[in-house]
Amino acid sequence: DQQVKQNSPSLSVQEGRISILNCDYTNSMFDYFLWYKKYPAEGPTFLISISSIKDKNEDGRFTVFLNKSAKHLSLHIVPSQPGDSAVYFCAASSNSGYALNFGKGTSLLVTP
Amino acid sequence: AAGVIQSPRHLIKEKRETATLKCYPIPRHDTVYWYQQGPGQDPQFLISFYEKMQSDKGSIPDRFSAQQFSDYHSELNMSSLELGDSALYFCASSSSGQSLEKLFFGSGTQLSVL
Repeated sequence: DQQVKQNSPSLSVQEGRISILNCDYTNSMFDYFLWYKKYPAEGPTFLISISSIKDKNEDGRFTVFLNKSAKHLSLHIVPSQPGDSAVYFCAASSNSGYALNFGKGTSLLVTP
Repeated sequence: AAGVIQSPRHLIKEKRETATLKCYPIPRHDTVYWYQQGPGQDPQFLISFYEKMQSDKGSIPDRFSAQQFSDYHSELNMSSLELGDSALYFCASSSSGQSLEKLFFGSGTQLSVL
């Protein structure tokens, strides 16, 4: 039973525009959410996170929004750059452990 | 800076064979996690170790076993391989007490079972 869902397998955005990647979760015990970025032949690398006590976290061009009532989070990248083209994984954890629950990933393509 | 090293990068096995995947964590990291990502699937947590002891267990099949050694490297042993075991196996390491943001992944071992 998948507890973290990324329903868009792919997304294509023009350079300079905003990329919005979405993620839904089902487990109300999740209290920490992370986004990872993965390039081909590399492992996932941490991008940005948000705790359940917040509804927004911003780091440069990346902003993550959390809507706990809807069990939904989103990653906004603005402006998008060609180097942002990668697979983005949404992950969640509960305070009971460090094992991460991942979504299937969204492949983002930023075109010049 | 040193990263998480996984070996081999690629491995091809036949059904019913055994395989051993190795993971070398970042120096001074004492915790190791194993994840399995099947084709088109999300990475699934298999098992983790802290200070050479199993700390958490996920969806690891009984045919698989793992351990962490005194130098903190970890090995995932897979026996009676099945076609469905074909996947990308990620190892991640962290230092105890650090946040999840300090979890670093290796590049993975691509296992193909024929």
